[in-house]
Amino acid sequence: SQQGEEDPQALSIQEGENATMNCSYKTSINNLQWYRQNSGRGLVHLILIRSNEREKHSGRLRVTLDTSKKSSSLLITASRAADTASYFCATMEYGNKLVFGAGTILRVKS
Amino acid sequence: AAGVIQSPRHLIKEKRETATLKCYPIPRHDTVYWYQQGPGQDPQFLISFYEKMQSDKGSIPDRFSAQQFSDYHSELNMSSLELGDSALYFCASSFLIVGLSGELFFGEGSRLTVL
Repeated sequence: SQQGEEDPQALSIQEGENATMNCSYKTSINNLQWYRQNSGRGLVHLILIRSNEREKHSGRLRVTLDTSKKSSSLLITASRAADTASYFCATMEYGNKLVFGAGTILRVKS
Repeated sequence: AAGVIQSPRHLIKEKRETATLKCYPIPRHDTVYWYQQGPGQDPQFLISFYEKMQSDKGSIPDRFSAQQFSDYHSELNMSSLELGDSALYFCASSFLIVGLSGELFFGEGSRLTVL
């Protein structure tokens, strides 16, 4: 990966459970974003958190950012089968470059 | 709403051939990005353009070149193709305003297969 690691690499849960994915990065950032990708499809933006923010919510999504540890987490609550996808964190470095992490494959079983 | 349009969606080439991928950003977006995603890999940043000028460069091979035209569409040219160039190539666009969202809007990708 150009940026860092995601943890776990794969996650399998039952519908209704919560899913937590973690991401670490290496450089100073302007903001950190989470994207979702269904197999072989384009990436869809989920949520953005700025470097001066610590937590952000959007619907069933909750993102935290710890710039001292260079890490972020994405929590999806009350998961649904339709949440099955790959999830990537990406850091916007100062300039104009969005760098992706390695991704977590989430499978939600109904 | 209009999205990012990429063409062609699928492309099959032989080794050492040349390929050109096209990207039409969302209207009024001023920034275009190109990414390469191999099977099971994360998207790798290749290059970006802001207002038709190259703004950032990533792991783009010297065999590849890209440009953004006056109508803001962009083309990625790939020459002397190698088997390892087989991948999904994504284009994304955004509207860069300092201090506001850095959200990127991605196209559905162009799948290149090199035989």
